[in-house]
Amino acid sequence: GQSLEQPSEVTAVEGAIVQINCTYQTSGFYGLSWYQQHDGGAPTFLSYNALDGLEETGRFSSFLSRSDSYGYLLLQELQMKDSASYFCAVVSGYSTLTFGKGTMLLVSP
Amino acid sequence: DTGVSQDPRHKITKRGQNVTFRCDPISEHNRLYWYRQTLGQGPEFLTYFQNEAQLEKSRLLSDRFSAERPKGSFSTLEIQRTEQGDSAMYLCASSASTVSYEQYFGPGTRLTVT
Repeated sequence: GQSLEQPSEVTAVEGAIVQINCTYQTSGFYGLSWYQQHDGGAPTFLSYNALDGLEETGRFSSFLSRSDSYGYLLLQELQMKDSASYFCAVVSGYSTLTFGKGTMLLVSP
Repeated sequence: DTGVSQDPRHKITKRGQNVTFRCDPISEHNRLYWYRQTLGQGPEFLTYFQNEAQLEKSRLLSDRFSAERPKGSFSTLEIQRTEQGDSAMYLCASSASTVSYEQYFGPGTRLTVT
């Protein structure tokens, strides 16, 4: 089976930096993805790590350590529109996704 | 550029009825996935199609659930003899083989079983 752990909620202020951690236990691991979901909306793809290290996409960066079964999503220069739920997801065979329960990020002025 | 579309957006049904949902993926995507999401949880994988072939199904998927993707284009998900526990958001996603990990999700069909 597969299981993922991430914090349920994180709060931060505009302009700050926040890190959302994700640990996983899984078989058939191809990589770790991150998705953003606004309330009432569909999940949208943010990033994917197949190899150890940091991937940067604009204000968002994602990190993976396969040996530690650990990854994180780093959000910089937080904006109010970043308030959403963030899911880490293990990518397995056929690129199927196993999602964590999500981290609700609340950005305040 | 049209994204993934799903129909209907909302469905209310009585327990024991059958329901069918439709998903139209991004036209050039050959991979199609169905997920189910309940409040406060992440999406849960249900089944996967590559073109018209159903290649993977979740072991947790009841035999009341069936999915098809005729001709490798749109897909349908049918739930027979619905139960209150089937109430959830049903999400469809598609991806291209070259970037299969980047899945594009539709807006979902919210099912309420009364």
